[in-house]
Amino acid sequence: QITLNESGPVVVKPTQTLTLTCTFSGFSLNSSGVGVAWIRQPPGRALEWLTVIYWDDDKRYSPSLRSRLTISKDTSKDQVVLTMANMDPVDTATYYCAHASSGYYYYYYYYMDVWGKGTTVTVSS
Amino acid sequence: ELVLTQSPGTLSLSPGKRATLSCRASQSVNSYNLAWYQQKPGQAPRLLIYAASSRATGIPGRFSGSGSGTDFTLTISRLDPEDFSMYYCQHYDSSRWTFGQGTKVEVK
Repeated sequence: QITLNESGPVVVKPTQTLTLTCTFSGFSLNSSGVGVAWIRQPPGRALEWLTVIYWDDDKRYSPSLRSRLTISKDTSKDQVVLTMANMDPVDTATYYCAHASSGYYYYYYYYMDVWGKGTTVTVSS
Repeated sequence: ELVLTQSPGTLSLSPGKRATLSCRASQSVNSYNLAWYQQKPGQAPRLLIYAASSRATGIPGRFSGSGSGTDFTLTISRLDPEDFSMYYCQHYDSSRWTFGQGTKVEVK
């Protein structure tokens, strides 16, 4: 059974760097065709994809947030870490990590089949 | 930049009725890259459909997905009380992933 659990600070101050950890079980991020993504959702608003890291350490970032985001994995700890620099009140949101599975049709395509419960982050001085 | 537009914003229906949710892409996409999620208040999203028409594990048969090119549809054949919720479509691309703005299905 795959599970993911997000952890990190509940409140951060403006301009600080947010660090969130996704601790997972039930799969290996060394396995071909697997990824872990981060998604956020401001209160009352839609989902926004932030970044993904794949089994081969390939990484992709949202173009609008690329300069502020860093994703990394520690396969020995079964963790994925997200850092977001220069936090602003508009970054207040629930942050989710999700397991990405793949299918193949001449290329690999991905979809997020298991999600963590999310962690709420408030940016306030 | 790909944009996914979901319609309607809110769908008001009675239990037992058929729900048809639309997701329109701003450019033609491969149907394998299109997924649907359900999100209930205070909960994480749940995968319903991937590759436009494949039901995820454990998803009831009343949920179905269809479409190609720029137009995709999520159909709930007969609304169960637990189906009143928010629904999002999402596109995968090798460089970025995109969500629609969501459709809320509410009790009429």
